[in-house]
Amino acid sequence: SQELEQSPQSLIVQEGKNLTINCTSSKTLYGLYWYKQKYGEGLIFLMMLQKGGEEKSHEKITAKLDEKKQQSSLHITASQPSHAGIYLCGADLSGGNYQLIWGAGTKLIIKP
Amino acid sequence: ETGVTQSPTHLIKTRGQQVTLRCSSQSGHNTVSWYQQALGQGPQFIFQYYREEENGRGNFPPRFSGLQFPNYSSELNVNALELDDSALYLCASSQPGQLYRGYTFGSGTRLTVV
Repeated sequence: SQELEQSPQSLIVQEGKNLTINCTSSKTLYGLYWYKQKYGEGLIFLMMLQKGGEEKSHEKITAKLDEKKQQSSLHITASQPSHAGIYLCGADLSGGNYQLIWGAGTKLIIKP
Repeated sequence: ETGVTQSPTHLIKTRGQQVTLRCSSQSGHNTVSWYQQALGQGPQFIFQYYREEENGRGNFPPRFSGLQFPNYSSELNVNALELDDSALYLCASSQPGQLYRGYTFGSGTRLTVV
């Protein structure tokens, strides 16, 4: 099984609706990164969380790291076509700050 | 500030050949990481270079090797290419102590091995 599980694998959402993507680890998350990827392209940094209970927001996207530091969620409010893409969570599971382990990604489609 | 630049963008090679991929890190970043991303999967860590030294390596065979230069740009070399090496190769630069800003990724090199 994967060290970092993302759910759901894919999501089709009506424009204007809210959605949540989850990222779960069996180990402590020393640093959790959320990125967005357009198909076959590079990754665009969204947010980084490090402390248990931490929450960050950027425009209509909010990410949280739970108190036990083993799960993170990404919430998009009032989704727009520009939110479509693949969302990836990457984690430092060792505290070594050099290797990130990644989830398989969540493919988000926004229906107009 | 400039971002991360990777070259070439696409490459087709024959099984058994060797390939070199290049990466220019973002200005001010002295650490470069390389990842392999197969279709439909998350990236897999290959290795990281910090100040021209390998700083960590993932589960990849020795035929995957790298270099970092004094200007912090980097190369990924793959020898004896196999069909399974077909993937998107991503380079990411970062600055220790500023990881809250994330790793800056390039657009990747799409390698196809035939």
